[in-house]
Amino acid sequence: DIQMTQSPSSLSASVGDRVTITCRASQSMSGYLNWYQQKPGKAPKLLIYAVSSLQSGVPSRFSGSGSGTEFTLTISGLQAEDFATYYCQQSFDTPPFTFGPGTKVDIK
Amino acid sequence: QEQLVESGGGLVKPEGSLRLSCAASGFTFSDYYMSWIRQPPGKGLEWISYVGGSGKTKYYADSVQGRFIVSRDNAKNSMYLQMNSLSVDDTAVYYCARGSRAVDDAFDIWGHGTVVTVSS
Repeated sequence: DIQMTQSPSSLSASVGDRVTITCRASQSMSGYLNWYQQKPGKAPKLLIYAVSSLQSGVPSRFSGSGSGTEFTLTISGLQAEDFATYYCQQSFDTPPFTFGPGTKVDIK
Repeated sequence: QEQLVESGGGLVKPEGSLRLSCAASGFTFSDYYMSWIRQPPGKGLEWISYVGGSGKTKYYADSVQGRFIVSRDNAKNSMYLQMNSLSVDDTAVYYCARGSRAVDDAFDIWGHGTVVTVSS
């Protein structure tokens, strides 16, 4: 099974900052890396799929990149509504479709 | 509007059973695989089960294998999770989610979740 890790586990940032979150997989994947945003008390929301494809309706300040075992979510110009927890998830090959442990982004 | 709505959560004693339901609307249910994903209080997301569009293909996380059974009824646009031999570690919000080939098998639609509490 593919295991996912994320760093950092949490970060503090200010509105307008550029934020980068890293996700690492235990084995190489050809795409199939997804990012979700979750706000307290709410269901997760798909932001990016297939490493770098922006889900419909998601602001362009969110972007994804990476390959192999290392992937990155970048928020360019953090907005107040972006304070949340972010999870990476792999959908490579057959299940289990594992999630990373999450990165909480809060206000500095 | 594409939507998923879970139901069936509640308080159950250890070793008890519970059946969750997920009702889909606004899309052709049988065209998509579905999954259950849970989140214990204050913790991260854990994928626990998958059922293919026809209902024949199923996968489970090791943590629930042999205790939970996923099924679907495409005529009723619904998915189910039969949970047996529950333990306190199964306490969580349970989400159903749609997996879509159009987004490389990511989960593009989620329900609001249903709370399962296992306690004596």
